[in-house]
Amino acid sequence: AQSVTQLDSQVPVFEEAPVELRCNYSSSVSVYLFWYVQYPNQGLQLLLKYLSGSTLVESINGFEAEFNKSQTSFHLRKPSVHISDTAEYFCAVSDMDSSYKLIFGSGTRLLVRP
Amino acid sequence: ETGVTQTPRHLVMGMTNKKSLKCEQHLGHNAMYWYKQSAKKPLELMFVYSLEERVENNSVPSRFSPECPNSSHLFLHLHTLQPEDSALYLCASSQFTAAAELFFGEGSRLTVL
Repeated sequence: AQSVTQLDSQVPVFEEAPVELRCNYSSSVSVYLFWYVQYPNQGLQLLLKYLSGSTLVESINGFEAEFNKSQTSFHLRKPSVHISDTAEYFCAVSDMDSSYKLIFGSGTRLLVRP
Repeated sequence: ETGVTQTPRHLVMGMTNKKSLKCEQHLGHNAMYWYKQSAKKPLELMFVYSLEERVENNSVPSRFSPECPNSSHLFLHLHTLQPEDSALYLCASSQFTAAAELFFGEGSRLTVL
């Protein structure tokens, strides 16, 4: 069975500092990987996803994530965060055979301070 | 008009009540989902419907009963719930294709007394 581990429940960081949110997954088959973001009182929104090809994927607002198959990781990074990036970030995985079944981690709350 | 709308946004019910959560999507998608979000726990996939057929029933207790009358509407009927069922219930929709993006509603916050 697949699972997703987000070790950090909360990551405080100062504005304009870099940040990394960690995600590790376990699966015995090939997978698709996702990061979703949830702003306060809103539903989750897709931030970026890895399907195949280049292991580095980017979002339109400066986040990037790198798929590392040997370490079964998909960490999310941003070189300089803004106050508006404060939100809950969820890593998710689905296997290629039943890709509609998205398994989420427990989330990491990114708290950006001025 | 938002893509996925959930009502009610907040619901308080006793353990003997019967209530329903409603979800409506305006995106033309053919798959709909119910997820349960509890504090400090991973989102739990409850049910998946594709073209109004249930394709996933993730060992959810029978006190939760889903209904998908058409591709735009999804219900979650609740009866004789337990306090541990208190959570945020999220509805999502997507195209039923590989690695499709899920579009989520804002959720229904359920409190069981």
